[in-house]
Amino acid sequence: DAMVIQNPRYQVTQFGKPVTLSCSQTLNHNVMYWYQQKSSQAPKLLFHYYDKDFNNEADTPDNFQSRRPNTSFCFLDIRSPGLGDAAMYLCATSRDQGGMGEAFFGQGTRLTVV
Amino acid sequence: GESVGLHLPTLSVQEGDNSIINCAYSNSASDYFIWYKQESGKGPQFIIDIRSNMDKRQGQRVTVLLNKTVKHLSLQIAATQPGDSAVYFCAEDTGGFKTIFGAGTRLFVKA
Repeated sequence: DAMVIQNPRYQVTQFGKPVTLSCSQTLNHNVMYWYQQKSSQAPKLLFHYYDKDFNNEADTPDNFQSRRPNTSFCFLDIRSPGLGDAAMYLCATSRDQGGMGEAFFGQGTRLTVV
Repeated sequence: GESVGLHLPTLSVQEGDNSIINCAYSNSASDYFIWYKQESGKGPQFIIDIRSNMDKRQGQRVTVLLNKTVKHLSLQIAATQPGDSAVYFCAEDTGGFKTIFGAGTRLFVKA
């Protein structure tokens, strides 16, 4: 039973053409994350939402934006994808358990920029 | 700055042997550590976690050891199986739900 669902699994977009990646969860977790993972590298945190509070990492480019319209859904918007943005994008959720709690990851969306 | 790193990028073990994957971290303020397993084409999957007030925690076939004195974390897998082949990441959380992943170790299990 999928608990964190990412759509689509594979996305091809043109250089400079805005693209949106989607994530939904059935866990009712209050924290949602977006990570970027390039080949043979560790996931890199882009930003996270704690409920409706948005927390951006200092080194996340302005080209990356996010929206969380409700508890279940979170979107990653890439305003002008460049070739360097080709990567696996991972959505994750967690529940605040006294300041800790493991993350549950989706299967990821592999983004190709042509 | 904050960083989590691994000593060995790849590890090859014989099926049935025990595996030990090591991790060094630099942020002494980190109070929560997690090991994730990532199989090809999938998202990371939680294996085991440990809080900074502990030095050992055991799960099913896995044990995590934390040495705060030298800022070292290890994952021990007993009786390694072919299904354990994957990339393993240690991650640290300094609070505020900022989870930093280490570079990862690829584990190969030889039949």
